[in-house]
Amino acid sequence: DGGITQSPKYLFRKEGQNVTLSCEQNLNHDAMYWYRQDPGQGLRLIYYSQIVNDFQKGDIAEGYSVSREKKESFPLTVTSAQKNPTAFYLCASIGVSKNIQYFGAGTRLSVL
Amino acid sequence: DQQVKQNSPSLSVQEGRISILNCDYTNSMFDYFLWYKKYPAEGPTFLISISSIKDKNEDGRFTVFLNKSAKHLSLHIVPSQPGDSAVYFCAARFYNQGGKLIFGQGTELSVKP
Repeated sequence: DGGITQSPKYLFRKEGQNVTLSCEQNLNHDAMYWYRQDPGQGLRLIYYSQIVNDFQKGDIAEGYSVSREKKESFPLTVTSAQKNPTAFYLCASIGVSKNIQYFGAGTRLSVL
Repeated sequence: DQQVKQNSPSLSVQEGRISILNCDYTNSMFDYFLWYKKYPAEGPTFLISISSIKDKNEDGRFTVFLNKSAKHLSLHIVPSQPGDSAVYFCAARFYNQGGKLIFGQGTELSVKP
């Protein structure tokens, strides 16, 4: 099946720990995005990448890092500098038309 | 600065009636608008979209209207069904910024039998 796979579905972080959320797509999409959703709020853009080996900060990039070594993969690391990491994280990708973003099922991150 | 706003956090509608979800935006550089539907603990799924050069787009029970002068768009669902109960997000795309989207806060629609 073609789509976007996020793993794990649930993740727990201890104080001072870095954790990495996985996002893989087999849609042959060039651009990929990471969003964060908090209760009662819309999706806020963390980082995005339009091509391999290139990425840009979104609106709330502080405390996060990404890499884009392969077209299919866009992992997000939540670092210890992110003081309020508890949220629902969503990965998306978009094709050549740049019209419609398609989303993965999300990862819920909680702090122990 | 909230560039895309959905001012109604929730909406309750009777099955079979029309649901109207509203969205306002402030930036004239948006060139494409989308509606997504989201269930709890799942990713948003694309519903319908409209280009800024159009004022209406229809797909089955779903119609999106765009009023550029008022910077307002709306999603109409007719007839509403209980399975439509979800959170609906509107999103706006910046012109020539690689598909980057700005999302509204969402409106939770409840369709009662």
